Amino acid sequence: AQTVTQSQPEMSVQEAETVTLSCTYDTSENNYYLFWYKQPPSRQMILVIRQEAYKQQNATENRFSVNFQKAAKSFSLKISDSQLGDTAMYFCAFIWGAQKLVFGQGTRLTINP
Amino acid sequence: DSGVTQTPKHLITATGQRVTLRCSPRSGDLSVYWYQQSLDQGLQFLIQYYNGEERAKGNILERFSAQQFPDLHSELNLSSLELGDSALYFCASSRDGGGTQYFGPGTRLLVL
Repeated sequence: AQTVTQSQPEMSVQEAETVTLSCTYDTSENNYYLFWYKQPPSRQMILVIRQEAYKQQNATENRFSVNFQKAAKSFSLKISDSQLGDTAMYFCAFIWGAQKLVFGQGTRLTINP
Repeated sequence: DSGVTQTPKHLITATGQRVTLRCSPRSGDLSVYWYQQSLDQGLQFLIQYYNGEERAKGNILERFSAQQFPDLHSELNLSSLELGDSALYFCASSRDGGGTQYFGPGTRLLVL
């Protein structure tokens, strides 16, 4: 079975600091996608970044970047210059083929002023 | 705004009742997914439709059913509601059967 594990239930950093959220996954598939979704207090699910497994280059979206280690099955999210609006629950998710998203349990990130 | 719409935003009902949640996918997206998120829980996949056909089922109770119509909008029907069905129900859509899923704002269901 495909699983996604986020080992950090909660994290807290000061505004403008850099923070890294961890995610590991387990799969025997070779072609898949990985995602980070953000869920702020409004509880909307917002796509932050995505990574195709066949691409070696790490995805970047403005202040958000990933460190994708395919052999280690690791997919961490780095948030640079963190802002108060980054306060949210962050979910790592995995999908292969025409299948459902498998989500981790989430990391609650708080950015302090 | 993801382009996925869900109605209603909030729903309060009593145990034993039946409700229908509605989802309109992004323009051009053929696949619709339904997820359930209970309080402080992760998201649980319920069911997927692709171009009107059921494609995959997850942890969906027999009391729950869904369908996707020719105009590609989808409805999730929840019947014989129980207190434990109180949750946030998300619809997501994607262009095809895989890849990036974009989520609607969710429907908050409270069963009293």
